Order: sequence, then C-alpha cells, then structure tokens
Amino acid sequence: ETGVTQSPTHLIKTRGQQVTLRCSSQSGHNTVSWYQQALGQGPQFIFQYYREEENGRGNFPPRFSGLQFPNYSSELNVNALELDDSALYLCASSLVISADTQYFGPGTRLTVL
Amino acid sequence: KQEVTQIPAALSVPEGENLVLNCSFTDSAIYNLQWFRQDPGKGLTSLLLIQSSQREQTSGRLNASLDKSSGRSTLYIAASQPGDSATYLCAVGETSGSRLTFGEGTQLTVNP
Repeated sequence: ETGVTQSPTHLIKTRGQQVTLRCSSQSGHNTVSWYQQALGQGPQFIFQYYREEENGRGNFPPRFSGLQFPNYSSELNVNALELDDSALYLCASSLVISADTQYFGPGTRLTVL
Repeated sequence: KQEVTQIPAALSVPEGENLVLNCSFTDSAIYNLQWFRQDPGKGLTSLLLIQSSQREQTSGRLNASLDKSSGRSTLYIAASQPGDSATYLCAVGETSGSRLTFGEGTQLTVNP
C-alpha cells in the first residue's frame, strides 16, 4: 500500500501566475483535504473533497480551487498568485469521510517571487 | 471560531530529560485532538489521537492527556532522544472526519 504522494516537490512562480499542485491519495481513500502551511505557522485548512465534491472550505478566496478525480487523486489550483501564497501545501487523505485519521503527504513547497 | 495555542514555541533540552508540551483550545466542543510530528520541510506524522471521551493515550515514550472542560492537552515525552528533535503540532477536530485546526507548533531540540 503506497502512502500519500504530492507533486511537484518544489515550485517557483511569479506573482500573478497560476499554479496546479497534485496529490495522490493513499490507496482506497475517498476523502482528501488540503492545507496551507506558511513558514513557522501551523497548517490552515483550505478545503476538503469527498467523492469528487467539495465538502467544506476554510477561509480562503475563490482563486483557490480544487478538483478530485474518479480515482480520488486531487488537484489544488491557485490563480493570480500573490507573495503571501508562498507556503508548504499539504494534502491529507482518509479512508472514509468520517475517519478520524488523516494521512499527510510530504507537501509541495511553493515560492512566489 | 476555534483557536489553538501551543506553549512553548521552542524548547531545547539535554538528552534523557522528560518534557511536557502544552496545547490549549478555546472551544471545548471538540470531537478529538491529535498530536503530530513534523520534521523540517516535511509532511506530518500522526503520533497520538485522543477522542473527546478519553482522558489520555499512550504510545511508547509518548503520553498525551486531554482535559476537554478546561480546553487543554499535554504531550509528555519520556527520556528524550536527539531523534525526537522536530516540530510538534497539536490539532483539534470538531466533528468526525472534519477539518483540523492546528496550533503553531513547538519546535523541540534534544541535544546529545
């Protein structure tokens, strides 16, 4: 059984650009959550997807959007990048939506210049 | 709005010491509380999960307690080792499978 994987590992973009981050859930997991972790801070919840539908969203603007695919892999898209979007982006999968345990991937480090 | 605070922000101890990390939360209506470990630039590893009906959980040298009514949790690490050096994050879940609200973490350094 493979764990949660994320790609790319690192990414550098300039202000105003768009970015897509990818996450492959742990095998058989149908729920994925995305978190943003700024340097020196705890992770902040962006949104959660369950069976391809958004199921809860944190305090992030609409330029943060996501997708979940039939194989339960997921994308996080960020438009009109701002300097403050520089952070580690973490995805976490869980077996079912009601599961207590979330398994986190290694993250994607996004730097916006 | 739930807020989670961790004290201290950083801690440096000599190897072998027992230590306590603190976590407090503002809304006691939680479903569970988890402690995670994060190595530099890496993802999160779950250490202990305590359901709201429980008072403590133990795993090896780690013991986590929960006092829901006072909005506090502690993580006790016995006989600390240099390999324990990492950032420790506390997170509360308000419903089953819901979003987690994290504290800012305690950065622990265990010196040989």
